Amino acid sequence: GAVVSQHPSRVICKSGTSVKIECRSLDFQATTMFWYRQFPKQSLMLMATSNEGSKATYEQGVEKDKFLINHASLTLSTLTVTSAHPEDSSFYICSAKETSGDLRGQFFGPGTRLTVL
Amino acid sequence: KNQVEQSPQSLIILEGKNCTLQCNYTVSPFSNLRWYKQDTGRGPVSLTIMTFSENTKSNGRYTATLDADTKQSSLHITASQLSDSASYICVVSAYLGGQNFVFGPGTRLSVLP
Repeated sequence: GAVVSQHPSRVICKSGTSVKIECRSLDFQATTMFWYRQFPKQSLMLMATSNEGSKATYEQGVEKDKFLINHASLTLSTLTVTSAHPEDSSFYICSAKETSGDLRGQFFGPGTRLTVL
Repeated sequence: KNQVEQSPQSLIILEGKNCTLQCNYTVSPFSNLRWYKQDTGRGPVSLTIMTFSENTKSNGRYTATLDADTKQSSLHITASQLSDSASYICVVSAYLGGQNFVFGPGTRLSVLP
């Protein structure tokens, strides 16, 4: 099946620094990628939908200036958490949707554990 | 309001036993329904996907059913194994000029030896 990778898998940073998380579709092209945040024992919460070559669409309550999303190619989307604070500590997961038009194809990455000290 | 509910919230069973997880949704217009398995600290992995016309779909020991009339789905796990311990998430897609995915809260399954 299609593979989505994320890098890094785990990151620890100091409060006030910025962290970039990469999401790559390894064997397929994805015009649309999704970014989710998941707190312990809770379900995934959609943060934003990223379309290749255009601005991301953010869900209500998600600060677009704090969570910068870039989808510069059909295989790469990045999420940058700017001026991270301890409350941003969470599990961030991306997913990618195939461009083939098959409505079945949304594949998740393994996630990135962010800890802000 | 598009919503997905799952029950039970958590479940503990003994290895080798069967179990059934439930998913009820109020998502419209319905496109498809997926069941995902998420191990702790990992991303979700797709188990099954069903469109409106599909009533059942199997993937090894996992069998999902869909009743589009009552807007209910179930995931049946047969002969459970310790590795089945995970969260199982029901995701319903609505087609609103593009895919809109509605996530259920998940059922946390623990399989004990």
